[in-house]
Amino acid sequence: DSGVTQTPKHLITATGQRVTLRCSPRSGDLSVYWYQQSLDQGLQFLIQYYNGEERAKGNILERFSAQQFPDLHSELNLSSLELGDSALYFCASSVEPGVATDTQYFGPGTRLTVL
Amino acid sequence: DQQVKQNSPSLSVQEGRISILNCDYTNSMFDYFLWYKKYPAEGPTFLISISSIKDKNEDGRFTVFLNKSAKHLSLHIVPSQPGDSAVYFCAASAQETSGSRLTFGEGTQLTVNP
Repeated sequence: DSGVTQTPKHLITATGQRVTLRCSPRSGDLSVYWYQQSLDQGLQFLIQYYNGEERAKGNILERFSAQQFPDLHSELNLSSLELGDSALYFCASSVEPGVATDTQYFGPGTRLTVL
Repeated sequence: DQQVKQNSPSLSVQEGRISILNCDYTNSMFDYFLWYKKYPAEGPTFLISISSIKDKNEDGRFTVFLNKSAKHLSLHIVPSQPGDSAVYFCAASAQETSGSRLTFGEGTQLTVNP
């Protein structure tokens, strides 16, 4: 158990809908990262938040957005869902991204299925 | 542009023998490298890491070697156990240019046969 929690574990929805994925980081970690794992793309970085502020952006679609709240939990919002958005979405957290040897610990993931 | 590559999709070894998983990278700005282990329907589990200022890091049965000139790293597992069977991902980060985002390889499925 990494200490990172994600809910829900599974999500099934229809095209065009909007969903929210939730992540709670490990105790003491200030930074949260979101990754997407799809069959043909592997694990891809989406976005990073540090202490409530966006720190870095990867290949995140404009239909997707995220935020980190004062209690440090984060939410990833996916809207206008398409079939191709079906994937595993992982959250990771770390203590201090400014440190060269900062290690990310991953949650169990949310499996999103868009029908 | 695949900056981190694991060229072997799968590897099969006998219990008790050595498992060697390989990873190549192209971005010379990468300065921190990690190995994660992943079981189906679970998140990646951190195994071991190495900073670019070192060429070897050891933790129990796991050793990671880094060859910066060849832009190559490897994970050695000795002795291999059936419980080590999983997908292993190599990942890298470049603090100076892209913060802590991790760039992952495609993964190698390791099967350890009893």
